[in-house]
Amino acid sequence: SQQGEEDPQALSIQEGENATMNCSYKTSINNLQWYRQNSGRGLVHLILIRSNEREKHSGRLRVTLDTSKKSSSLLITASRAADTASYFCATAPNAGGTSYGKLTFGQGTILTVHP
Amino acid sequence: ETGVTQSPTHLIKTRGQQVTLRCSSQSGHNTVSWYQQALGQGPQFIFQYYREEENGRGNFPPRFSGLQFPNYSSELNVNALELDDSALYLCASSLAGTGNTIYFGEGSWLTVV
Repeated sequence: SQQGEEDPQALSIQEGENATMNCSYKTSINNLQWYRQNSGRGLVHLILIRSNEREKHSGRLRVTLDTSKKSSSLLITASRAADTASYFCATAPNAGGTSYGKLTFGQGTILTVHP
Repeated sequence: ETGVTQSPTHLIKTRGQQVTLRCSSQSGHNTVSWYQQALGQGPQFIFQYYREEENGRGNFPPRFSGLQFPNYSSELNVNALELDDSALYLCASSLAGTGNTIYFGEGSWLTVV
């Protein structure tokens, strides 16, 4: 079963605009990771944010985490046509022990950036 | 380039057959996990291996099984294939421990006819 829900399910923007994707989850987490997936291919890791962090940056990416609302957002600034892909958030449980490899994914947001 | 390699990239099997998918972890990673991603869905956790033993499993039947070898490479075996097993199978590797980044391979596309 999917823990998270991503919003919106699809997003269409023009090159140069910013893209914001949101993710909500249900249970306590150790960390949240964002991934990108080009059509039919593997997942590329973008950024990891730990439960005790509120914001993280990596290049044109900005991720926020609000554990009180159980939500996260991914902002891509100055988007490019090459950013066109599906974006997934994935949560790692705060269960300790052996659960660290188990990520729970949302349904994803399909981002289309028009040149 | 994540350093996680999977084979084969595509394969077609007949319902009832068995399939083995292979994965080489990123160098130094001792934990491997497998995910199933149906078309249009997010990946779903199948199971995880650490030190050659399964130590976490998702909601998948026993006909999904795996192995991890001393060099940390891994196999996913699926017996008695069903049409619904058609999906992208993703292998992921990481270092054991919470808070570590999990890296994925390019996946193996399985079509069951």
